[in-house]
Amino acid sequence: AQSVAQPEDQVNVAEGNPLTVKCTYSVSGNPYLFWYVQYPNRGLQFLLKYITGDNLVKGSYGFEAEFNKSQTSFHLKKPSALVSDSALYFCAVRDYSSPRDTGRRALTFGSGTRLQVQP
Amino acid sequence: GAGVSQSPRYKVAKRGQDVALRCDPISGHVSLFWYQQALGQGPEFLTYFQNEAQLDKSGLPSDRFFAERPEGSVSTLKIQRTQQEDSAVYLCASSLANLGTRDYNEQFFGPGTRLTVL
Repeated sequence: AQSVAQPEDQVNVAEGNPLTVKCTYSVSGNPYLFWYVQYPNRGLQFLLKYITGDNLVKGSYGFEAEFNKSQTSFHLKKPSALVSDSALYFCAVRDYSSPRDTGRRALTFGSGTRLQVQP
Repeated sequence: GAGVSQSPRYKVAKRGQDVALRCDPISGHVSLFWYQQALGQGPEFLTYFQNEAQLDKSGLPSDRFFAERPEGSVSTLKIQRTQQEDSAVYLCASSLANLGTRDYNEQFFGPGTRLTVL
């Protein structure tokens, strides 16, 4: 079974400061990892993904995430936070042990972390 | 281009009523997913379609939940005899993925349907 943990319900950061939103995962095979952002009354928007290759992944709106296999982590980062980054962030994982295992195509999401950027 | 659309955006039902939620995926997207998002939680998987075939329905919470995608595009999630615990946001997502490939295409989500059962 695959699972995702987002240990922080909320992260507060001042505008202009760097931000980190934490995510750890558990899978039996190889992980495909994703970050999504959700604004009020809107669907989830894709930010970035890790499939293979470089451990540092760059995504939309200046966000990046670092895949750490030994720590089973995929923390989301941004060098300088904006007030407009305030939203709910979800980490998600898909176990890729078998391409024909269609039941694992679904994403497993963490419980979300609310990011609050203060002006 | 148009993204994933869902209708209605909001639905209020009396306990025991049947409801139908519609999802229009991005044109050409083969895979379609339904998720349920309870208040303050992350989305949880309900069911998955590859074209018109429902390949995984392991997340459907009871036999009151039924989903279909008869022509491989639009999908409908039906909930019969709604209960208060069905109150949630129902999200639809689509992706380009094909069966048998190293599917790593991200899923694109619709805005969701907020269902409130009184």
